[in-house]
Amino acid sequence: GDSVTQMEGPVTLSEEAFLTINCTYTATGYPSLFWYVQYPGEGLQLLLKATKADDKGSNKGFEATYRKETTSFHLEKGSVQVSDSAVYFCALSNFGNEKLTFGTGTRLTIIP
Amino acid sequence: GAVVSQHPSRVICKSGTSVKIECRSLDFQATTMFWYRQFPKQSLMLMATSNEGSKATYEQGVEKDKFLINHASLTLSTLTVTSAHPEDSSFYICSAASGTSGRDGELFFGEGSRLTVL
Repeated sequence: GDSVTQMEGPVTLSEEAFLTINCTYTATGYPSLFWYVQYPGEGLQLLLKATKADDKGSNKGFEATYRKETTSFHLEKGSVQVSDSAVYFCALSNFGNEKLTFGTGTRLTIIP
Repeated sequence: GAVVSQHPSRVICKSGTSVKIECRSLDFQATTMFWYRQFPKQSLMLMATSNEGSKATYEQGVEKDKFLINHASLTLSTLTVTSAHPEDSSFYICSAASGTSGRDGELFFGEGSRLTVL
């Protein structure tokens, strides 16, 4: 079945550092890929998405490119802020349905 | 964005009792709601999909008599953990889709409910 693997955390960075959170997937067909973020005390929120190969999703300074050849969707940000501290989940949906398959989540902490 | 609220956020119960968790869409009508379970350091596991007015569809390995799901209205779904045991202790999360939003992956999530069974 479909699966998502993302780097284990926790990840701790200093403010303004470069961020990469790796995500790879296994799926049949042509899945859509997502990054969700969960801030402390809140529900998961969609951060960005890409629906086909080579698409780049971007939002709030975060970017991720759908790489079919490496089955990856790594999350990047050039300069992180304290307010980016959260848990980040990589996910996919397949066959155009609403079911999401999630990775384990990566806790990110940014230190001033 | 749309708001989904779960209640209670934390619940502690004795073994053998039943616990109900509510999931409400506050500012939109949710045609479909999903219930997930998350174990420590593991990914969210989809338990079931509920559509308003019809029976829930359970994922393989999830006991439907153990985890009762009711989606009685377009704004409310409930998950009842029946005869709870310590192994049912977990973090339960609901999400909701409105119309076609879910097909683009933009589900709206509740804050989660942590269940501890003593």
